[in-house]
Amino acid sequence: DGGITQSPKYLFRKEGQNVTLSCEQNLNHDAMYWYRQDPGQGLRLIYYSQIVNDFQKGDIAEGYSVSREKKESFPLTVTSAQKNPTAFYLCASSMTRAGELFFGEGSRLTVL
Amino acid sequence: SQQGEEDPQALSIQEGENATMNCSYKTSINNLQWYRQNSGRGLVHLILIRSNEREKHSGRLRVTLDTSKKSSSLLITASRAADTASYFCATDAGSGNTGKLIFGQGTTLQVKP
Repeated sequence: DGGITQSPKYLFRKEGQNVTLSCEQNLNHDAMYWYRQDPGQGLRLIYYSQIVNDFQKGDIAEGYSVSREKKESFPLTVTSAQKNPTAFYLCASSMTRAGELFFGEGSRLTVL
Repeated sequence: SQQGEEDPQALSIQEGENATMNCSYKTSINNLQWYRQNSGRGLVHLILIRSNEREKHSGRLRVTLDTSKKSSSLLITASRAADTASYFCATDAGSGNTGKLIFGQGTTLQVKP
């Protein structure tokens, strides 16, 4: 079945550690996105990519990094520079620019 | 910056009633989308409406778009307990066709059986 797979579903991190969240899609979509969601809040855009080897900062990119070396993969690294990383992270992809988004099931990161 | 803002933030209705939620945005758009999120899950796409469209239907869902007022509404008719979820609008407002999609804060809908 086609879709987006995020892993891990739950992740615990100690302060000062970098962690990488995986996002893989087999939908052959060009565009991929990372969003952050805090409890009871909407989604805030971290990074997005319209094509392989290219990505743009969203509204809250500080403390995060991404790569897009393959069309199907868009990993997100939460660095130690992110001061409040505890959140629910959602990855999405779309066939067309700003078109319908297909979401993964999310990764919940908790900093201990 | 949040381009889409939903209203109300929370809505509680009885099964069988209609639910209406609204979304406002600030700059011109190419399209506006509505999504649903069950608690702790990823979002699911409901409807996309383009800037040159005024109304769109999908099953029990009806979406309207008023570009002069920079607003959209989502109507769920004959609601069911299973419609309990959060609903978000998303726009490419102000993206300059970069593909950037911005979500609003969402409306939490509770449908009581």
